[in-house]
Amino acid sequence: GAVVSQHPSWVICKSGTSVKIECRSLDFQATTMFWYRQFPKQSLMLMATSNEGSKATYEQGVEKDKFLINHASLTLSTLTVTSAHPEDSSFYICSARDTGAGLSNQPQHFGDGTRLSIL
Amino acid sequence: AQSVAQPEDQVNVAEGNPLTVKCTYSVSGNPYLFWYVQYPNRGLQFLLKYITGDNLVKGSYGFEAEFNKSQTSFHLKKPSALVSDSALYFCAVHGSGNTPLVFGKGTRLSVIA
Repeated sequence: GAVVSQHPSWVICKSGTSVKIECRSLDFQATTMFWYRQFPKQSLMLMATSNEGSKATYEQGVEKDKFLINHASLTLSTLTVTSAHPEDSSFYICSARDTGAGLSNQPQHFGDGTRLSIL
Repeated sequence: AQSVAQPEDQVNVAEGNPLTVKCTYSVSGNPYLFWYVQYPNRGLQFLLKYITGDNLVKGSYGFEAEFNKSQTSFHLKKPSALVSDSALYFCAVHGSGNTPLVFGKGTRLSVIA
């Protein structure tokens, strides 16, 4: 089945550091990937939609200069948290849908998430 | 706008008993409904989906869900709960095209031995 790989799974770093998270679709191509953020004991909040070869679409309230998204190929999207601060600490999850067989029938597949802790 | 609601924050059930996790939806047009499960510090795992066809959908790990158009519900069920089913369950919906899933707030299921 479709697999999404996310790396790293856990990051601890100092305030002011920039952190890059990678999301790869391993056995399918994804023109679109989705980045979510999840706070403890809460649901997933969509941050942005990453589009291969073009600019990402950010949800209202998400700072695009803080959360840089690059989708340079059909299998890789990256999220860079720039100048991270403690309030950016969270669980970040990427997702993609295998659109090869038709959009409406395919579930989104999720990476295992990245736990980001800013000290 | 598409949305789903999960009215229960927590569901407790004894091992071997049937379980139900509730979800209602609000969509314009045909609903594309999904259930996912999340274990601690992990991403979401797909359980099942309803796109069209039979109202009773069978999915992974013995789970099933019933689509009820008149009640706008898509409750997740399992005839006999296992302790290993304890996790966080999310109902989700998406609209047409390659649009992202919109999630409910999640329901924590605890199965007690």
